Amino acid sequence: AQKVTQAQTEISVVEKEDVTLDCVYETRDTTYYLFWYKQPPSGELVFLIRRNSFDEQNEISGRYSWNFQKSTSSFNFTITASQVVDSAVYFCALTENNAGNMLTFGGGTRLMVKP
Amino acid sequence: DGGITQSPKYLFRKEGQNVTLSCEQNLNHDAMYWYRQDPGQGLRLIYYSQIVNDFQKGDIAEGYSVSREKKESFPLTVTSAQKNPTAFYLCASTPAPPGGGMNTEAFFGQGTRLTVV
Repeated sequence: AQKVTQAQTEISVVEKEDVTLDCVYETRDTTYYLFWYKQPPSGELVFLIRRNSFDEQNEISGRYSWNFQKSTSSFNFTITASQVVDSAVYFCALTENNAGNMLTFGGGTRLMVKP
Repeated sequence: DGGITQSPKYLFRKEGQNVTLSCEQNLNHDAMYWYRQDPGQGLRLIYYSQIVNDFQKGDIAEGYSVSREKKESFPLTVTSAQKNPTAFYLCASTPAPPGGGMNTEAFFGQGTRLTVV
C-alpha cells in the first residue's frame, strides 16, 4: 500500500529564511507520480509540481526548488528567502501508475512565515 | 474563468440530518473526486467518478453517497449514518479518469466546512 509521511507538522520561520519541507513516501509500484500542493487560508489546494518516478532531476521554479531522491524515497521542497505570503499548509501526495489520478496525501506541514 | 465551485462554504448539520454538498466544474474534466480533510491530517478519498452515471468508493465511503448525472456536477450527500461528519470537504477534478495513465494534476474547489450542531 502506498503511504506519504510529512514528519514536520508545523514550521515557523522568519521572513527571508530558507526552509525545507520533508516528504517521504512508500510504494511498491515502479511507476508513480509525486506532487506538492499548497493550501492557503482560503482552503483550496493549489498545484505546485508533479514529478514522475523516472525523472530524478531536481527542479527550480523561482524561489521554490524540489529535491527528488529515489534512493531515500524522498521528495523534499525548499523555499528560498521565504515570504509572509508563503504561509500555508503544504501537502505532498503520491499516485501509483495503476491508481490513475487518485492521490494519497501526507498529513501536511503548516508553514508560518513571520515578518 | 474555468474552475470548480463548491457550495455552500459553510454548512451546519443537526444530528440525524442528511445534507448535500454541491460541486460544479466547467473545466470539461472527465473525473471528479471528493476528499475529506480533518485537522492536522491529510486528505482522504471518499468517492470518485470517472464518467457520468458511474462512481466508485474511496477509502472512507461509509456514511456518504454521491451521484453523477451530469459531467459538470458531482454532489456529495453526508447521511445520518456518518457518525463524525464535522470536517472540511474538498472536491477535485482531473482531465482524465483514474487508470487513464496520464496522472495529471488535480484541480480543487475552495471547500465546504461542515459542522454538526
